[in-house]
Amino acid sequence: GDSVTQMEGPVTLSEEAFLTINCTYTATGYPSLFWYVQYPGEGLQLLLKATKADDKGSNKGFEATYRKETTSFHLEKGSVQVSDSAVYFCALPSGYSTLTFGKGTMLLVSP
Amino acid sequence: DAMVIQNPRYQVTQFGKPVTLSCSQTLNHNVMYWYQQKSSQAPKLLFHYYDKDFNNEADTPDNFQSRRPNTSFCFLDIRSPGLGDAAMYLCATSRGRGQPRDIQYFGAGTRLSVL
Repeated sequence: GDSVTQMEGPVTLSEEAFLTINCTYTATGYPSLFWYVQYPGEGLQLLLKATKADDKGSNKGFEATYRKETTSFHLEKGSVQVSDSAVYFCALPSGYSTLTFGKGTMLLVSP
Repeated sequence: DAMVIQNPRYQVTQFGKPVTLSCSQTLNHNVMYWYQQKSSQAPKLLFHYYDKDFNNEADTPDNFQSRRPNTSFCFLDIRSPGLGDAAMYLCATSRGRGQPRDIQYFGAGTRLSVL
């Protein structure tokens, strides 16, 4: 079945550091890929998406490129802020209605 | 402007006492979902409605039920909450299912505590 593997956290960075959160997937075909973010005590927000191979999704300074050769969708940001502290979930549509999520990666950014 | 609204944000109930969580949407989406998210885990789909058609996940306990009286509202009923049902409950909506454009939009969640 479909699966998503994310790097384990927490990832601890200082403000203005470079961020990479790795995500790889196993799926049939070439599904859309998503990054969702969950701020403390909140629901999930769609951060960015890519619908086909080589697409780059971007939002709020975050980027991720859909790489079918490596079945990856790594999340990057050039300079993190304290306000980026949250849990990040990589996800793909699975079956007719389900989103398959990775386990989530907590990011902690200190001033 | 909130598009998927969950009430209440925090709910405390007693062991075995029925509880209802509510979700409303202003997106006029056809599909509404309920997820359960336990601490430090990914959300887990409980069930979803496509319009009035109810779709239960195979491993969702019978203790969990749902109602969708109209397009805008959907309710999660827990008939006899146990301590293990304490979690964040997330409502989500999407325009359709199975297409790349059918992105799921989530509410802020209701955190349920069971005493």
